[in-house]
Amino acid sequence: NAGVTQTPKFRILKIGQSMTLQCTQDMNHNYMYWYRQDPGMGLKLIYYSVGAGITDKGEVPNGYNVSRSTTEDFPLRLELAAPSQTSVYFCASSYSSTGTIYFGEGSWLTVV
Amino acid sequence: AQTVTQSQPEMSVQEAETVTLSCTYDTSESDYYLFWYKQPPSRQMILVIRQEAYKQQNATENRFSVNFQKAAKSFSLKISDSQLGDAAMYFCAYRSIVRKDAGTASKLTFGTGTRLQVTL
Repeated sequence: NAGVTQTPKFRILKIGQSMTLQCTQDMNHNYMYWYRQDPGMGLKLIYYSVGAGITDKGEVPNGYNVSRSTTEDFPLRLELAAPSQTSVYFCASSYSSTGTIYFGEGSWLTVV
Repeated sequence: AQTVTQSQPEMSVQEAETVTLSCTYDTSESDYYLFWYKQPPSRQMILVIRQEAYKQQNATENRFSVNFQKAAKSFSLKISDSQLGDAAMYFCAYRSIVRKDAGTASKLTFGTGTRLQVTL
């Protein structure tokens, strides 16, 4: 029962470095999402995708890029990491726009 | 824009007792979904219960139930017979439909959470 899988679980980046958070789901879900959770806060939507090749910005997209070449994968790219991007990142997916949203276990990212 | 407010940063309940977590939201939409998510120290987001706004009947999942007051825009979570494993952060979330050029998708707006402690 893999569900939504994120890698890496933990990462420390230096300011200005780049990295990609990987997300894959095995539920054949069309919709995928990236959220971030800052300390003491709820989650905020970064980007979402409604299917392979189709992505759009959420509430807090600045500093991030995404791609969706397959139904299964939805990587999140951080370019020129900044301390403000220190957060826990969650990938999620749903079968439809109104279906239950399933979350991955989160990726802890620290930028120093 | 939708907002979700959880006014109780922390709550405490004794094992086997009942506790109610509060949530209010603001929206101009008539059709939407509301959720309670549990986040244990592992940080995983676990769906506890969902409520469709068009349903008048309050949702129930085992020991978890909601009191949904649509006119008051209130959505509280009641946990009965509390167990030590219920200790976690609880987030109330509102789901709206986002319609953009890329298509239609869901957007969850979260409250700031309530930390629930369960004591012996």
